[in-house]
Amino acid sequence: GAGVSQSPSNKVTEKGKDVELRCDPISGHTALYWYRQSLGQGLEFLIYFQGNSAPDKSGLPSDRFSAERTGGSVSTLTIQRTQQEDSAVYLCASIFTPDRMNTEAFFGQGTRLTVV
Amino acid sequence: EDKVVQSPLSLVVHEGDTVTLNCSYEVTNFRSLLWYKQEKKAPTFLFMLTSSGIEKKSGRLSSILDKKELFSILNITATQTGDSAVYLCAVINYQLIWGAGTKLIIKP
Repeated sequence: GAGVSQSPSNKVTEKGKDVELRCDPISGHTALYWYRQSLGQGLEFLIYFQGNSAPDKSGLPSDRFSAERTGGSVSTLTIQRTQQEDSAVYLCASIFTPDRMNTEAFFGQGTRLTVV
Repeated sequence: EDKVVQSPLSLVVHEGDTVTLNCSYEVTNFRSLLWYKQEKKAPTFLFMLTSSGIEKKSGRLSSILDKKELFSILNITATQTGDSAVYLCAVINYQLIWGAGTKLIIKP
């Protein structure tokens, strides 16, 4: 597709349930980030995938959070046993480096997760 | 520690005014600086700046990078209520490093 696609756009789930959020990056983009943004807060880094390297998971807030990227393309962020504090907008960014001097980063429209 | 600092944190002006938003950075292995506008969920890409002193323009918005003094500014002229948003600055080295954003409110 032409842009970064995230699904679902909105998700309401009961506390304790597991959720999966999906990101389809722009084809050919080598790196992918997951962020979350709680109401009124800045962007919080979660995890970073770069090519075939081991992902940088340093931003994941707890072991309930995990993410994978299959075939260097689609990524899934999984939150197990959701808590109310997990409610946020989850954003995926797709990174492209056309040459040594330039890098482009484009965001999906985000998934608004509400845990009730 | 790499950091990106935006100022002011918030700004309220009247329609028609010109605003200047600032982004300073201390980042190793700088590659590019990006400006985004965030109104609802996802940030919308505005500009990418890689070279010093070259102004980028898009309508009433413009931006320039100073790699010697390590900052960038985003100018918005003849502001409109639709410009109200959070404006985010990010620097790329091998990862994205974000500023906290400037919340801009345009009053009619």
